[in-house]
Amino acid sequence: GQQVMQIPQYQHVQEGEDFTTYCNSSTTLSNIQWYKQRPGGHPVFLIQLVKSGEVKKQKRLTFQFGEAKKNSSLHITATQTTDVGTYFCAGKTNAGKSTFGDGTTLTVKP
Amino acid sequence: NAGVMQNPRHLVRRRGQEARLRCSPMKGHSHVYWYRQLPEEGLKFMVYLQKENIIDESGMPKERFSAEFPKEGPSILRIQQVVRGDSAAYFCASSPSGQGFYEQYFGPGTRLTVT
Repeated sequence: GQQVMQIPQYQHVQEGEDFTTYCNSSTTLSNIQWYKQRPGGHPVFLIQLVKSGEVKKQKRLTFQFGEAKKNSSLHITATQTTDVGTYFCAGKTNAGKSTFGDGTTLTVKP
Repeated sequence: NAGVMQNPRHLVRRRGQEARLRCSPMKGHSHVYWYRQLPEEGLKFMVYLQKENIIDESGMPKERFSAEFPKEGPSILRIQQVVRGDSAAYFCASSPSGQGFYEQYFGPGTRLTVT
């Protein structure tokens, strides 16, 4: 079945440093979504990428979808303490089912 | 527009009891997904339902677990004869459609503790 791998599992950074999490699928995706879950909270939708090679930005967050539509990345520039949480990617195949990666948990030291 | 609602938020059950978790999707959403999350772990897909239909239950354990989404009322995830390993956070999410490019809106989750 479809597998979505996310690395790293954990990332500890100093406030102001950059952060990147990577998502790789075993199969070609129709789209990929990114979610953020704060500690003790529930996942909240951040963004969706659909086109091959697509790049989207939200303030300090940059999302990319690979040319082959099998991988994606989320990059945060100059992290802040409000960025702490777990970032999940969710890949959707043409069959319609979404598979979540195991997430990357980001901690930010002030 | 109220978001996805789940109740109870916290549920404590003794081993062998039944747990019933409820999920009311966002207004206008007819697709519901259930996920389980163990502490410090990711979201594991359990089941995907439309009204009165189970679309995909490939993530559901074969025994003791069942889910429904009736024509009227919330979606219910039922765990019979709970065991300690069932302790986890159970999230439901809803979307207006299963196809296409719709994000999932998550509820606050039910934290199940089995003693």
